[in-house]
This record gives sequence, structure tokens and C-alpha cells, in this order.
Amino acid sequence: GAGVSQTPSNKVTEKGKYVELRCDPISGHTALYWYRQSLGQGPEFLIYFQGTGAADDSGLPNDRFFAVRPEGSVSTLKIQRTERGDSAVYLCASQQFGANVLTFGAGSRLTVL
Amino acid sequence: EDQVTQSPEALRLQEGESSSLNCSYTVSGLRGLFWYRQDPGKGPEFLFTLYSAGEEKEKERLKATLTKKESFLHITAPKPEDSATYLCAVQAGSTGNQFYFGTGTSLTVIP
Repeated sequence: GAGVSQTPSNKVTEKGKYVELRCDPISGHTALYWYRQSLGQGPEFLIYFQGTGAADDSGLPNDRFFAVRPEGSVSTLKIQRTERGDSAVYLCASQQFGANVLTFGAGSRLTVL
Repeated sequence: EDQVTQSPEALRLQEGESSSLNCSYTVSGLRGLFWYRQDPGKGPEFLFTLYSAGEEKEKERLKATLTKKESFLHITAPKPEDSATYLCAVQAGSTGNQFYFGTGTSLTVIP
């Protein structure tokens, strides 16, 4: 596609529920990043994929968070037993092989009531 | 500890009033320093990459410079459409493939 697409753009859920956020990167981009941005803060690194494998998941806050990229393209961020503190904008970015510029999507705003 | 600090947190300028935003960093083995612009409700949009001290990049009314400890984003004769949050990020040997972002400067340009 022309840009990085993230769905849903907005998600409201109740505490304890399971949530999936989807990222469709730019076609041909090999690397994919997930970031979390709280209000008034900069993006905080969560996980980085090179191809299908998670090359660095050191930013995932705990084992309730998990991400997959089974075919090396679309990625899904999965959050189990959501907590109010998980409320934030979740940003996805993709990166062309050999380049260092990240192209971001518009984000998925998650609100946990 | 790796750190990226941006100042000021917020800046209000009259249209045409030039100013500078600061990004100071302490990382090991800088691989690149990046400036992004973020509009409300959108993801960050890439502006510049700087790799070594002394390097400068320009785009329209924006100019980014880099020293060994900090980067400046100079805005010359800003217009209201330059209003946005400007984010600085670093990629360093100590951060691997991570891009470590500052908290941003929120710029408002008043007509």
C-alpha cells in the first residue's frame, strides 16, 4: 500500500478484555516496529520485527503483551487482560531494508475503561 | 543511561518569529539522530537524519544541526502551518535497532 495502515483507529474496551491491533506495513518493507505513545510523551519502543521473527522484544512491558508477524508483512499486537494503564496510542512503523527512516501509521488509540 | 531530552516542552511564536528547538542526548555510539513532525491524531512524519557532528540539513523553513551532545531544529520565519509537535529520536550502538524518542516540543505559531 501507499502508507502504513493501522486498524482499528479507535478501540474502547473494558478492563480485563482481550484486544488485537493490526498493522499493515508498506509493501516490501522488511522491518516493522511497534511503539506506544501516552499523552504528552514521545513514542516508547515495544518490539521490532525483521521479517517474520521478533528481533527485539525488550520493550514489551509484561507477558500480557504479545506480537506476531507470521508472513513477514501484516503484524498484530495482542494485549491480554487489559488494564487502565494500557490506554495509549499504539503506533506501528515500517522500514525498508538498508534504510534507517521509519514510516509511521496514524496509530490505534486504545482506551481501557 | 541513554537519554534524549527535548526543550522547551512547549513554544508559542508569532508568525515570522524565528526560534530554535533543542534535543540533547547521551547515548553510546550514535548511529543517527532523527527529527520527526507529529500533527494531532497522526503518526510522526520524518523530517531529517543527521549522522555526525557538524552536519546540517535544510527543508523549507527548517534547518537541523548536530553537535556531539545536541541537535537544534531552527525554524526561520514560521507560519501557522508549522504548528505541530517536533520529536527527536536517536539510534545508537547501545540501543541496537531501537529508535529512542524524546518527549517532543509542542510548537504553536500564532497568525
